[in-house]
Amino acid sequence: AQSVTQPDIHITVSEGASLELRCNYSYGATPYLFWYVQSPGQGLQLLLKYFSGDTLVQGIKGFEAEFKRSQSSFNLRKPSVHWSDAAEYFCAVGGGSGGSNYKLTFGKGTLLTVNP
Amino acid sequence: GAVVSQHPSRVICKSGTSVKIECRSLDFQATTMFWYRQFPKKSLMLMATSNEGSKATYEQGVEKDKFLINHASLTLSTLTVTSAHPEDSSFYICSARSYSYEQYFGPGTRLTVT
Repeated sequence: AQSVTQPDIHITVSEGASLELRCNYSYGATPYLFWYVQSPGQGLQLLLKYFSGDTLVQGIKGFEAEFKRSQSSFNLRKPSVHWSDAAEYFCAVGGGSGGSNYKLTFGKGTLLTVNP
Repeated sequence: GAVVSQHPSRVICKSGTSVKIECRSLDFQATTMFWYRQFPKKSLMLMATSNEGSKATYEQGVEKDKFLINHASLTLSTLTVTSAHPEDSSFYICSARSYSYEQYFGPGTRLTVT
C-alpha cells in the first residue's frame, strides 16, 4: 500500500528566509510524486510533479523539489519565502504505471506560516 | 487550461434532506473523476473514483447508498449526499484527469447540515 508522511505539521519562517518541507513516501514501484498547495477554503493547486528523468524538478512560484529514491523522499524547497506563500502544503504519491485507477495518496499536510 | 469547477461553493441543508454537488471539467474531457472529503485541518480522504459511463468505485468505509456518484459525461460528475446528517458536514473536493496522470482539482464545496 502506498503512503506519504509529512513529518512537520506546522512550520513558521520569516519572509525572505529559505524553506524546506519534508515528504517521505512508501510505494512498491516507480512513484509519481506531487506537491500541492491549498489556501484556506480553496481547492488544491499543483506546484510541481515528478514522473521520471531529472530528479530536481522546478515548479511554479519559485518552488523546486528533489526526488531521492534512496531516501524515499521528495522534499519541497524555496530559496526565499514570500508572505503570500502562507498556506497548507500537501505531498502526494501515485502509481507510476497507472495502477489503482491513478489514485493519489496524500500526506497530512504541512501548514506554513510566514512572519513579516 | 485544465480548469475544474464545482457548484455550489457553499450549501446549507437541513438534516434528512439530500444535496447534490456538481463537478465539471471546463476545458478538457475527464476520463476519471475523483471525490475527496476534507475535515478541518486534515488531509484529503478519497471517497470514490468514477470513470465516465461506469459505476463509481468507492473506498473502504464509504457508504455507497449515502454518497451517490454519477459520471454521465466526460465533463460532469455529481455527488449526491442523501439523507444528510450533521456529521456529513465537511469540505468536499473533486478532481479530474484526462489522459495523463495529473489530477486537476476543483475549488471545493463547503457543506453544512443543520
